[in-house]
Amino acid sequence: GDSVTQMEGPVTLSEEAFLTINCTYTATGYPSLFWYVQYPGEGLQLLLKATKADDKGSNKGFEATYRKETTSFHLEKGSVQVSDSAVYFCALSEEEYGNKLVFGAGTILRVKS
Amino acid sequence: NAGVTQTPKFQVLKTGQSMTLQCAQDMNHEYMSWYRQDPGMGLRLIHYSVGAGITDQGEVPNGYNVSRSTTEDFPLRLLSAAPSQTSVYFCASSYNGGQQETQYFGPGTRLLVL
Repeated sequence: GDSVTQMEGPVTLSEEAFLTINCTYTATGYPSLFWYVQYPGEGLQLLLKATKADDKGSNKGFEATYRKETTSFHLEKGSVQVSDSAVYFCALSEEEYGNKLVFGAGTILRVKS
Repeated sequence: NAGVTQTPKFQVLKTGQSMTLQCAQDMNHEYMSWYRQDPGMGLRLIHYSVGAGITDQGEVPNGYNVSRSTTEDFPLRLLSAAPSQTSVYFCASSYNGGQQETQYFGPGTRLLVL
């Protein structure tokens, strides 16, 4: 079945550092890919998404490109802030599996000032 | 709009007790779902519904029941709580569950079963 693998955390960075969180997936068809973010004590909210190969999703300075050849959707940000400290989840949705969201384990990001 | 709301925020149960976690949305979404979040495992789908009167099982349905009598509400019932059901529970909704749709999550219910 479908699956999502994320780099293990926690990831600890200083403010203004460059961020990469790796995400790879396994799917049978052509899934949509998502990054969701969970701030402390809150539910998940969509950060960005891409629905076809080579699409780039972007929001709040974060970017991720849908790479079908490497089955990856890595999250990047050029300069992180303390307010970016959160848990980041990579996820996919595929029509062959009823469009259910399949999540990675999540990566904790801690940004120090 | 309130979005997706969940009650209670936190609950402690004893093994064998029953309870209902409430979920409501005011966005007129057809698709609603329940997930549980456990450390190191991401979110796993428990049950979902594609519209009023229609429900189906997700990845980890055992020990949970759901019903969907209205578009707005999607309660999750634990009939006989077990310590393995200690988790954080999230309800989510989307317009009609399409592959490209954003899902909107509630703030979660933290459940501790002793």
